[in-house]
Amino acid sequence: AQSVSQHNHHVILSEAASLELGCNYSYGGTVNLFWYVQYPGQHLQLLLKYFSGDPLVKGIKGFEAEFIKSKFSFNLRKPSVQWSDTAEYFCAVAMGSARQLTFGSGTQLTVLP
Amino acid sequence: DVKVTQSSRYLVKRTGEKVFLECVQDMDHENMFWYRQDPGLGLRLIYFSYDVKMKEKGDIPEGYSVSREKKERFSLILESASTNQTSMYLCASSRGQGAFPVEGYTFGSGTRLTVV
Repeated sequence: AQSVSQHNHHVILSEAASLELGCNYSYGGTVNLFWYVQYPGQHLQLLLKYFSGDPLVKGIKGFEAEFIKSKFSFNLRKPSVQWSDTAEYFCAVAMGSARQLTFGSGTQLTVLP
Repeated sequence: DVKVTQSSRYLVKRTGEKVFLECVQDMDHENMFWYRQDPGLGLRLIYFSYDVKMKEKGDIPEGYSVSREKKERFSLILESASTNQTSMYLCASSRGQGAFPVEGYTFGSGTRLTVV
């Protein structure tokens, strides 16, 4: 079955540390890739997306992600995290012509002040 | 401001009750989705709909049904609620019937359902 894997379930960092969250998917065709963020008590919000073109995409709040097709990966990065980045992060993939997104299990990021 | 509105933020129901979760969007979106969100499992797709009176099963449809009588409204029905359906339920919508929309989904704020 097609799936999306986020191997880091809970990440704890100090402020100013660098962040990388992994996301892998199992589908050999065309994909559209997303990262969503959910701050405590809030809606899911779109952080960034990849559809085509430059595999390095930049999103809001200093986040970026790189699509590596050969590795079926779309890892999220931020050079220097802040306490306000504490949230749960979800990778999501639309596979082929599907109109629905398949989500990963999420990564809870805790940033210590 | 575009919105997906879920009728209840918190809901407590008894085992065996029939439960209706309502979702309304004001963006004239064609596509609507119901997910449940559980710790460590992420978001799992229950049902979705591409058009009025149309529905398709997602990954975990057992114990649920849906109704879409109007374009803007997508209801999730638990025919006989059970404790393992205690969860956060998220509704989402997206536009278009062709390529996946670049803006992705718009999510509602969720309904936290507790079945006792």
